[in-house]
Amino acid sequence: DGGITQSPKYLFRKEGQNVTLSCEQNLNHDAMYWYRQDPGQGLRLIYYSQIVNDFQKGDIAEGYSVSREKKESFPLTVTSAQKNPTAFYLCASSPASLRREQYFGPGTRLTVT
Amino acid sequence: AQKITQTQPGMFVQEKEAVTLDCTYDTSDQSYGLFWYKQPSSGEMIFLIYQGSYDEQNATEGRYSLNFQKARKSANLVISASQLGDSAMYFCATYPAGNTPLVFGKGTRLSVIA
Repeated sequence: DGGITQSPKYLFRKEGQNVTLSCEQNLNHDAMYWYRQDPGQGLRLIYYSQIVNDFQKGDIAEGYSVSREKKESFPLTVTSAQKNPTAFYLCASSPASLRREQYFGPGTRLTVT
Repeated sequence: AQKITQTQPGMFVQEKEAVTLDCTYDTSDQSYGLFWYKQPSSGEMIFLIYQGSYDEQNATEGRYSLNFQKARKSANLVISASQLGDSAMYFCATYPAGNTPLVFGKGTRLSVIA
């Protein structure tokens, strides 16, 4: 079945360590996105990519980095520069135009202590 | 810039009753779209329904319908015959001007009571 995979579901890290969250899609979508969600809050855009080897910063990109070497994959690295990294991270994808519905993965809950 | 407002932090509804979740938007664009997503406790965002600004009829998908009032800039989600499984967070979203990704409201938590 086509869909978006995020792994792992739960991730624990010590403060000061970089951590990479995985996102893979087999929907043949061109655009991919990363969002952060804090408890009781909406989604905030971290980064997005419309094509391979290109990506743009969202509203809260500081302390995060991404790469888009393959159409299917859009990993997110949470760096030690991110001051409050504990959150729920959602990856999404959509067909070529950004003005379309996005389809989401199951999310990764990151806890940094 | 596009802005989405969901004024109801939480709502309760009796099982089998209908419920309306409010969403207002702020845009100067002529062409835009409104989306509704459901987020159960598992966390995954599930796309429910879409309404385009030029669509003449209100969108419907099964028990979900969208009460689109363009002049009032509102796109309320109506869930008919509520079920216990409808308990979740619901988010309204739209895309800002230009070719940029969706922006989401803060959401409404719906609780269905047996």
